[in-house]
Amino acid sequence: DADVTQTPRNRITKTGKRIMLECSQTKGHDRMYWYRQDPGLGLRLIYYSFDVKDINKGEISDGYSVSRQAQAKFSLSLESAIPNQTALYFCATSDWDHEQFFGPGTRLTVL
Amino acid sequence: QKEVEQDPGPLSVPEGAIVSLNCTYSNSAFQYFMWYRQYSRKGPELLMYTYSSGNKEDGRFTAQVDKSSKYISLFIRDSQPSDSATYLCAGFTGGGNKLTFGTGTQLKVEL
Repeated sequence: DADVTQTPRNRITKTGKRIMLECSQTKGHDRMYWYRQDPGLGLRLIYYSFDVKDINKGEISDGYSVSRQAQAKFSLSLESAIPNQTALYFCATSDWDHEQFFGPGTRLTVL
Repeated sequence: QKEVEQDPGPLSVPEGAIVSLNCTYSNSAFQYFMWYRQYSRKGPELLMYTYSSGNKEDGRFTAQVDKSSKYISLFIRDSQPSDSATYLCAGFTGGGNKLTFGTGTQLKVEL
């Protein structure tokens, strides 16, 4: 089984809909991250969490929210999706920031 | 100006060639430098990391950091088609701070 799993792997939705992306990990790491990846812009950090009670905004948190339900689970929500949120979304975990382990990604399309 | 700049490519080389991938950065506080490899439709995976200036070798891969010129390099010797991927460099200041990624360079090694 994969150490970091993301569901769904692909999602197509419409403008204004609420979307939740889920991430689970079996690595036992305290730190979890959500990134989005866009062509020409690379990986950009949306939110990160150092433990269950610690949630922090990244560089592009507007329009997103997160929930850390347990050490192993970190969810990303788009309250009202818009087309420029179409991107590839990655969850990652780490013990130390420089060695992050990424999930397989969720390809989200907002029409 | 992005903190980490990387030529997006694509870079196409014949099998067996020596590949040089490069990044520049602007944040003098970066202490750790990482190279992640991302295959198509997969999440990034850590390839190598170095601390401060100097070289680090791992098999066919050599990472080089020159802090005086703020230049990061990854060399791949005897390149193989299986090396075809996007390579992302990243910098990290340490402590509770986050990774800052470049946009990635797409490499194709042709038979």
